[in-house]
Amino acid sequence: DTAVSQTPKYLVTQMGNDKSIKCEQNLGHDTMYWYKQDSKKFLKIMFSYNNKELIINETVPNRFSPKSPDKAHLNLHINSLELGDSAVYFCASSQDGRLQYFGPGTRLLVL
Amino acid sequence: QKEVEQNSGPLSVPEGAIASLNCTYSDRGSQSFFWYRQYSGKSPELIMFIYSNGDKEDGRFTAQLNKASQYVSLLIRDSQPSDSATYLCAVNRGAQKLVFGQGTRLTINP
Repeated sequence: DTAVSQTPKYLVTQMGNDKSIKCEQNLGHDTMYWYKQDSKKFLKIMFSYNNKELIINETVPNRFSPKSPDKAHLNLHINSLELGDSAVYFCASSQDGRLQYFGPGTRLLVL
Repeated sequence: QKEVEQNSGPLSVPEGAIASLNCTYSDRGSQSFFWYRQYSGKSPELIMFIYSNGDKEDGRFTAQLNKASQYVSLLIRDSQPSDSATYLCAVNRGAQKLVFGQGTRLTINP
């Protein structure tokens, strides 16, 4: 059983399109995160939800909108995709906010 | 100054030797420190965490923390080719947030 899963694994799309990435965790954790890893491998937090409530919202363009329908799911919708959005997006979950476990990642390429 | 700094490497170590990875952080209030391993094309995997000054050992891995010097390190004993990966240092800032360093790429040479 995969603890933290993401779909899709790969996403290739044109500039200006809208896309969504989904994340699910079966660890029973209360907190979920979205991270972005750029081409230089720098990993940076974007959002965090605790039991469906947004608790961290870093300086992210408002084209990015997270949604948490329940504490096991956290989705990321991106509007009007730009070239600079190309990156690997990781979902993670944690019970205590410290030990965080990552999903396999979604590789987004904007053409 | 970056919040968490690591030497990006690459760090090359012969098989069987000790690999030493270093990390410094800027926020004196940080309480929790983590090491993640990331293989190429894969997701970060938590391998060690340390909350108190001193050493913490787990198998071939030892994490060392010195809060006075704002320094955390990871030692890998008896390095194996399978240890070749990028190692990410992360520091807890606030209740829920991890701040990552840029990672050190480690290569173990057979």
